[in-house]
Amino acid sequence: AQKVTQAQTEISVVEKEDVTLDCVYETRDTTYYLFWYKQPPSGELVFLIRRNSFDEQNEISGRYSWNFQKSTSSFNFTITASQVVDSAVYFCALSEEQGAGNMLTFGGGTRLMVKP
Amino acid sequence: AAGVIQSPRHLIKEKRETATLKCYPIPRHDTVYWYQQGPGQDPQFLISFYEKMQSDKGSIPDRFSAQQFSDYHSELNMSSLELGDSALYFCASTRWEAGELFFGEGSRLTVL
Repeated sequence: AQKVTQAQTEISVVEKEDVTLDCVYETRDTTYYLFWYKQPPSGELVFLIRRNSFDEQNEISGRYSWNFQKSTSSFNFTITASQVVDSAVYFCALSEEQGAGNMLTFGGGTRLMVKP
Repeated sequence: AAGVIQSPRHLIKEKRETATLKCYPIPRHDTVYWYQQGPGQDPQFLISFYEKMQSDKGSIPDRFSAQQFSDYHSELNMSSLELGDSALYFCASTRWEAGELFFGEGSRLTVL
């Protein structure tokens, strides 16, 4: 069975600080996809990134970066120079099936509060 | 670009009533997923459809049913509503062979 754990339920930082959100997953499949979604106070789920299990290259997108470590089953998300608008709940998710299915299992979420 | 459309965005019902949520996927997406997110919880998978057939089933109560129509829109029907059904219901769509789910803005159901 697949499982996603986000051990940090809540993180509070001051604007301009860097912050890393942890995500650890469990799966028996060799092919799987990992996701990060942002859920701002308005409630919608905003897609941030999808990474397949065969691509361990780290990715950077503006102030966002992701560190995929298959050896530790982790897919951590770092926000550099955080801003108040980054305040949201962030979900890490796992999908075990490529293409067909795509059923996501979500972690419990990490609430990030960025204070001015 | 067109996104996943959900309606209504907000719905208030009384216990034991019935509610129907609608989802219009992104054009040319053939797969629809329904998720339920209770207060302070992570989204939980309910059910999915591919090409109008149920493809997967999660923790969906027997009081709930869903279907995908010929135009690929989907409806989630909830009967005998309970207080615990109060949640944000998300619909997501994708193309069967793709890997990225696009979520709608959610329908917030409040059961009084």
